[in-house]
Amino acid sequence: IQMTQSPSSLSASVGDRVTITCRTSHDIGSDLGWYQQKPGKAPKRLIYSASTLQSGVPSRFSGSGSGTEFTLTISNLQPDDFATYYCLQHNGYPQTFGPGTRVEIK
Amino acid sequence: QEQLVESGGGVVQPGRSLRLSCAASGFTFTDHAMHWVRQASGKGVEWVAVISADGYRTYYADFAQGRFTISRDNSKNRVYLSMDNLRVDDTAVYSCAIDVGVGATIGLPDYWGQGTLVAVSS
Repeated sequence: IQMTQSPSSLSASVGDRVTITCRTSHDIGSDLGWYQQKPGKAPKRLIYSASTLQSGVPSRFSGSGSGTEFTLTISNLQPDDFATYYCLQHNGYPQTFGPGTRVEIK
Repeated sequence: QEQLVESGGGVVQPGRSLRLSCAASGFTFTDHAMHWVRQASGKGVEWVAVISADGYRTYYADFAQGRFTISRDNSKNRVYLSMDNLRVDDTAVYSCAIDVGVGATIGLPDYWGQGTLVAVSS
């Protein structure tokens, strides 16, 4: 299953609303997770089952979608949110990550 | 608190083999499938392989199929990644990760270790 993410990078300001899109080459239902990675750190899981927020993750993060198109939305962007975000499908093997979206400070 | 500590990385020539180890603690190891993932410097994350909690099911990325073998020792709380016929493009930090599922279910990676560096160079 091929994965694409858009945009590959974006610049945004604190307080902005940011949307990242992940598309899959096949219908994966809701078998998608979103991860946040900061430089030098391991990725952290934010969302699973496309829209379920991992415990402890701020509510400004939300996920939606099913089938082949998914979105991660960050409302009211905070300084701690500047990072790279990856989607991962686990509907079939091999599991595959998207190429990532880097969120930078404008 | 879950803890994963990878070891076994290093510099190796193309075509040679390497075995990575991941020591797990702080959770019930036998309840969870375990993944290996990798990340080359400045590049995105790649999923490598997963092994079920009981060790009977394994799945691999296309680039790993036939060259890499994932295994586990539930008596030692360890998961391994044996890599044969290594290539220059296998150079990356390799990390193990706990699967979010419990029991027979295999889901997606949850908590990750910090990784061990594998450098393939002549």
